[in-house]
Formats: sequence, structure tokens, C-alpha cells
Amino acid sequence: NAGVTQTPKFRVLKTGQSMTLLCAQDMNHEYMYWYRQDPGMGLRLIHYSVGEGTTAKGEVPDGYNVSRLKKQNFLLGLESAAPSQTSVYFCASRTVNYGYTFGSGTRLTVV
Amino acid sequence: RKEVEQDPGPFNVPEGATVAFNCTYSNSASQSFFWYRQDCRKEPKLLMSVYSSGNEDGRFTAQLNRASQYISLLIRDSKLSDSATYLCAVIINQAGTALIFGKGTTLSVSS
Repeated sequence: NAGVTQTPKFRVLKTGQSMTLLCAQDMNHEYMYWYRQDPGMGLRLIHYSVGEGTTAKGEVPDGYNVSRLKKQNFLLGLESAAPSQTSVYFCASRTVNYGYTFGSGTRLTVV
Repeated sequence: RKEVEQDPGPFNVPEGATVAFNCTYSNSASQSFFWYRQDCRKEPKLLMSVYSSGNEDGRFTAQLNRASQYISLLIRDSKLSDSATYLCAVIINQAGTALIFGKGTTLSVSS
């Protein structure tokens, strides 16, 4: 039981490049979330999904898109990366009784 | 006003000290409350859930005051290993019941 797995763990992008961050969970959780964390900040919600095929915007969605085509996967896309998107990205999923499981994070640098 | 606000840090204390962290939340519909611990930008780990009746886990005590919309965490007999960032988090009945985090308070325990 791997829990929540994020890939890649590290990435450096050039401004304007695109990439997709993958979050995979093997716990059959309905709810999944993408957060970003910047220095001196808590985690801020980017997008979330309450089930397969559904997504919604969180607090800071601009510049990101998401998809949840399969229940176990939640993808976060950056179409045209900007230096302001340099951050640590965390994915999480949860059970119905609010037991959250976090991935170990993706450290993204946009130069 | 941010949904969740925490005491600014850092807190620098000697071993054995008692330290208290405070957190306020703005949405009266908040339904669940937590303290998370985060080490060196790793993923947050659940420290404690917080209940109106208060709860204790060893050296850690958490309290919730719904009337004042206030959450606290007390750490007694601080250890070097308690050095970390402590994040307050709440769930409101929106945004897919995502965890909404404060910015975190950094604790440094020295010998």
C-alpha cells in the first residue's frame, strides 16, 4: 500500500514550458487535492476533486489545469510555466471520515 | 481576512520549556480542526485533531473555543525533536471539504 505517490519529485522548467504533475493514490479515496506551498506560507489549495471526472477551483487556481479521468489519479498541469509557479506542490487524498494522506511533494523551479 | 491565521514565529525556546501556539479562524461554519507538524518542507503530518472538549496526547494539548473561533496547541517539556513548523488547519463545508491551512508557526528548541 503505497498511499499517495507524486511524480516527479523534482523538476526545473524554463519559463513558458509545460508539464504535468501526477498524483496517484491506491486507497480508493474519492476526494483529492492539489496544494502549493511557498516560503513562509502554509499550504494553499489550487484545485480539488470530489470524484472521478469532477474538478473544481481552489484558492489559487490561475495558471493551472487539472484532470481526474481515473479515480486513482489527479493530474496538475502547467501550460506555460512562470517563475511565480516556483513552489513545492503537495497532493492529498482523503477518506470519508477526514483522514487525509499527503504525498511527499514535488519541488518545481521555473527559471 | 485570511481564513486561518496563526501567531507569527519563530518561537525559540530552551529544552524543557512550555510553549503555546494560537490560531484563529474566520468562518463560523468551520467544522473540523487540526494541528499538523511539518519538517523541512516535507509533507505535513497530522499531530492532533482538536475537539471542543479539549484533547491531550502526551506532552501535547489542543483546545478549541468555538465562541471565539480560536484553536490552541500547548507543548510541555519541549524536546529538541519538537523543532518543526506547526500548521493549524480547518475544514469548512465547501471547497470539497479541503483542509484550509494557516501559514504555520516555526518552533526551534535548543539545548
